[in-house]
Amino acid sequence: GAVVSQHPSRVICKSGTSVKIECRSLDFQATTMFWYRQFPKQSLMLMATSNEGSKATYEQGVEKDKFLINHASLTLSTLTVTSAHPEDSSFYICSARKGAPAGPLSSYNEQFFGPGTRLTVL
Amino acid sequence: AQSVTQLDSHVSVSEGTPVLLRCNYSSSYSPSLFWYVQHPNKGLQLLLKYTSAATLVKGINGFEAEFKKSETSFHLTKPSAHMSDAAEYFCVVSDLGGAQKLVFGQGTRLTINP
Repeated sequence: GAVVSQHPSRVICKSGTSVKIECRSLDFQATTMFWYRQFPKQSLMLMATSNEGSKATYEQGVEKDKFLINHASLTLSTLTVTSAHPEDSSFYICSARKGAPAGPLSSYNEQFFGPGTRLTVL
Repeated sequence: AQSVTQLDSHVSVSEGTPVLLRCNYSSSYSPSLFWYVQHPNKGLQLLLKYTSAATLVKGINGFEAEFKKSETSFHLTKPSAHMSDAAEYFCVVSDLGGAQKLVFGQGTRLTINP
């Protein structure tokens, strides 16, 4: 169990268009999902944390109006890159956590990662 | 604030020889520490995790890591490298409060020579 999928796996778009990326937990309910960004040959940087039914919490330096996050159900979160530009080209990865943190030894603390979405903006 | 430093951006070993990937952490609290592996075009896979239980943690595929508080280290080791171990490895720290966000190290690319 604990499988997370992302769709699409790869997308190429023109500058100025918007792109939506879906993150789904396939066999569990995820109260919290995370969105990361990974530039080539670099590490993952957390962009935002989304809790089902509430607004996402963005990390410092991440534009809320550019990266719209919706977590409308316990199995789906979406990231929309609005008015995409070439500098937004990156690998976007989501993760999902089963439930509220319940202590350091709880399995609920583990995040399960999706395979990622490679966005190329021309 | 939490942070991790992976001391080597690239490690190259011969097949059948030991692997050592080094990680140092900084945390105001007792941290949770993880090692993840990322194969090309695949998602991150959890190798092992330390969550204030046993300091020597055994993971999948023969990997293990030892939490050393005095050295603030969490190095990843494997006795004998296999060609399939070639990948990018990330050391990760998490705080114990709030959202328990993960903070990733810069990554170490492991190359296995035949």
